[in-house]
Amino acid sequence: AQTVTQSQPEMSVQEAETVTLSCTYDTSESDYYLFWYKQPPSRQMILVIRQEAYKQQNATENRFSVNFQKAAKSFSLKISDSQLGDAAMYFCAYRSRRTSGSRLTFGEGTQLTVNP
Amino acid sequence: DTAVSQTPKYLVTQMGNDKSIKCEQNLGHDTMYWYKQDSKKFLKIMFSYNNKELIINETVPNRFSPKSPDKAHLNLHINSLELGDSAVYFCASSQELNRVEGETQYFGPGTRLLVL
Repeated sequence: AQTVTQSQPEMSVQEAETVTLSCTYDTSESDYYLFWYKQPPSRQMILVIRQEAYKQQNATENRFSVNFQKAAKSFSLKISDSQLGDAAMYFCAYRSRRTSGSRLTFGEGTQLTVNP
Repeated sequence: DTAVSQTPKYLVTQMGNDKSIKCEQNLGHDTMYWYKQDSKKFLKIMFSYNNKELIINETVPNRFSPKSPDKAHLNLHINSLELGDSAVYFCASSQELNRVEGETQYFGPGTRLLVL
């Protein structure tokens, strides 16, 4: 079974600075997806960024980028120019491509605080 | 033009009651899911339906019964509610075999269930 680990329960960053959230996962599969979701106090789960395992290039979405290290099974999220609206719980998630309707396996989450 | 909607958003009820949570998606997706988020914010899959067929049925008490009348709807019925059922329940949907979207799961706003 796949597992996802986020070793930082809490992180803080100053507004306009850069922060990196860590995520590691364990799998024996070679074809899968990795995601970062954001959950603000409204509790809505919002997709931040997605990475396909077969793509070597790291995904980027505006101020958000990932460092995907497939051999090390590491998938960190970098937030540049942090904004107050980035404050939220961030979840790393794994999804297999092997079967239809595959579940998302989530990490424990990292609570990000952005200080003005 | 909400993509994934759930009703109700809040549900407060007494132990022993039976309740339902409804979910609808207008994204044209063929797969829908129910996740449970506990008090520590950990998210875990409960059920997955693909084209109205049950794909994933995690170790969930028989008191929980999903029903999918069509591809756009997946409802969750809970019998004989217990205190431990208090949580946030999320519905999600995705389109299988969609490399463009990476089979991304899109979440509803969640239903906060409180059992007294």
